[in-house]
Amino acid sequence: DADVTQTPRNRITKTGKRIMLECSQTKGHDRMYWYRQDPGLGLRLIYYSFDVKDINKGEISDGYSVSRQAQAKFSLSLESAIPNQTALYFCATSDFTGGGVTQYFGPGTRLLVL
Amino acid sequence: TQLLEQSPQFLSIQEGENLTVYCNSSSVFSSLQWYRQEPGEGPVLLVTVVTGGEVKKLKRLTFQFGDARKDSSLHITAAQPGDTGLYLCAGTGYSTLTFGKGTMLLVSP
Repeated sequence: DADVTQTPRNRITKTGKRIMLECSQTKGHDRMYWYRQDPGLGLRLIYYSFDVKDINKGEISDGYSVSRQAQAKFSLSLESAIPNQTALYFCATSDFTGGGVTQYFGPGTRLLVL
Repeated sequence: TQLLEQSPQFLSIQEGENLTVYCNSSSVFSSLQWYRQEPGEGPVLLVTVVTGGEVKKLKRLTFQFGDARKDSSLHITAAQPGDTGLYLCAGTGYSTLTFGKGTMLLVSP
């Protein structure tokens, strides 16, 4: 079984709709992250959380919100989807070693906003 | 803002060829990581380099961290079609990573 799972894997929605992307992990990590990936732009951090009471904005948080329901669950919401939020979204968890943060990614959610 | 520049952006080669991809920054990172992402999947960590000048080998892949800890290279010897994917470098901080935009490698049989 995968350590980091994301649902749905694919989603098509319309402009103005509210949608939620969900992430669950069985790695027991406290730290969880949401990224979006766009061609030519790489991975950009949306939000991250160090525990259920800690939420931090990343570099591109506008238009998004998150909820850390439990250590194992971290969901990303688009309150009112717009076409330029069409992207591949990844959830990740991390542990911290002497060499720094190592991240473990889910399989991604491909989102299309019409 | 710390930025990581990767080059080339795209590389298409034949099986058996050697290649090197680069990751450069104007900032110093405590460590640098390389990830590989295959189509339809999330990135997977290949290696972490920590010490300036460090060289790590993973089968046919050789990773080097620059002496000043601002740049890194990935060399693949005798590339195989299974090496096809997006190679991402990431500079590590205490809480987050800064990713480069990646090098897309296509190895044809």
